[in-house]
Amino acid sequence: AQKITQTQPGMFVQEKEAVTLDCTYDTSDPSYGLFWYKQPSSGEMIFLIYQGSYDQQNATEGRYSLNFQKARKSANLVISASQLGDSAMYFCAMREGPEGGGNKLTFGTGTQLKVEL
Amino acid sequence: DTEVTQTPKHLVMGMTNKKSLKCEQHMGHRAMYWYKQKAKKPPELMFVYSYEKLSINESVPSRFSPECPNSSLLNLHLHALQPEDSALYLCASSQRSSGDDQPQHFGDGTRLSIL
Repeated sequence: AQKITQTQPGMFVQEKEAVTLDCTYDTSDPSYGLFWYKQPSSGEMIFLIYQGSYDQQNATEGRYSLNFQKARKSANLVISASQLGDSAMYFCAMREGPEGGGNKLTFGTGTQLKVEL
Repeated sequence: DTEVTQTPKHLVMGMTNKKSLKCEQHMGHRAMYWYKQKAKKPPELMFVYSYEKLSINESVPSRFSPECPNSSLLNLHLHALQPEDSALYLCASSQRSSGDDQPQHFGDGTRLSIL
């Protein structure tokens, strides 16, 4: 079974609009962390935002926020006021504790976001 | 600019060559990672070093040989590679390898092409 699922292979958004990138996960470990990374075409993986399984509030970092719904096992990334520079591949990733498979980072298949004028 | 530096940025080598990829970080991180990424796919973990000791080897073929000379450096030695090994190789580091709140910081990667 997929541990991290990103169902949107590609997304388009108009500049200055908000966009939500979906991510669902599957784990039986009570302790886990969820990460979002951005990968432009140049290749580097840029860390955007982190949400811990015990965090009570949704994480926010500037224009990025994470809509964390624990019961639904979803951790969607919301980008507000999209910019042309936001065009990139976005990966959702999960790190489980020792009980859930060790301390490895498991990535979803990614969503290619294109911001249009 | 990333705080994890990888060299070279591009590498073309024949199947009989021996080459090395290098990774350096000065953030005081004690865990370092090698990933392989094929085009339009997510990164795949290859190796994890924790406190300069190899802690995870994801059943990687022996033609890939990692080395961690000190806490700031991570090398990946390549020998007798196959065309299917052509990919982007990403290095990452984190404060430690355990604990689920530690983000991994990635370098820009080395684009490797095997002729």
